[in-house]
Amino acid sequence: TQLLEQSPQFLSIQEGENLTVYCNSSSVFSSLQWYRQEPGEGPVLLVTVVTGGEVKKLKRLTFQFGDARKDSSLHITAAQPGDTGLYLCAHLRSNDYKLSFGAGTTVTVRA
Amino acid sequence: EAGVAQSPRYKIIEKRQSVAFWCNPISGHATLYWYQQILGQGPKLLIQFQNNGVVDDSQLPKDRFSAERLKGVDSTLKIQPAKLEDSAVYLCASRLNTNQPQHFGDGTRLSIL
Repeated sequence: TQLLEQSPQFLSIQEGENLTVYCNSSSVFSSLQWYRQEPGEGPVLLVTVVTGGEVKKLKRLTFQFGDARKDSSLHITAAQPGDTGLYLCAHLRSNDYKLSFGAGTTVTVRA
Repeated sequence: EAGVAQSPRYKIIEKRQSVAFWCNPISGHATLYWYQQILGQGPKLLIQFQNNGVVDDSQLPKDRFSAERLKGVDSTLKIQPAKLEDSAVYLCASRLNTNQPQHFGDGTRLSIL
């Protein structure tokens, strides 16, 4: 099992500030996914990154896959209270399409 | 389209009691998953079904957990007897095929007293 480490564990910021959360491993991944899980709900897929160095944008969210495909980051610009949630990264195994999740970063955006 | 439906949303039981959770996947989704998400952790796969057959149950504690998907649609997950460490959110997910993402239900939050 390839271990995904996410940091920080918790992050609390004021509305309008920027934030970055990280997903790291010592292993090389074929692809990584990012999910957001709001309280009382299931995880919702935000993005899949598959190419080293890839950058994807989803409105105010920017996702980057490391050149060596061992790490990824999620940057939120001008955070809003609606961005509050648990951000999970997950490895999607290419042989059996199973997901292995990191422990997540809990983000709280204060109004 | 309707999402993955799970019930109940919450369940509180005492240790050593039994409990069952129900999942109705998105219509037409052949693959169904059950995950356990302990507070402060990411979801951990318990079992995967393809239609009505088990693909992977290697992480399912089979001495107390069981799951079935008899007609290849709905699924139930049972715990008997429950232990304190089973307190968690149990998530169900389904997928149409390997090229499509998993869709998660909102989970059942289980508290063991």
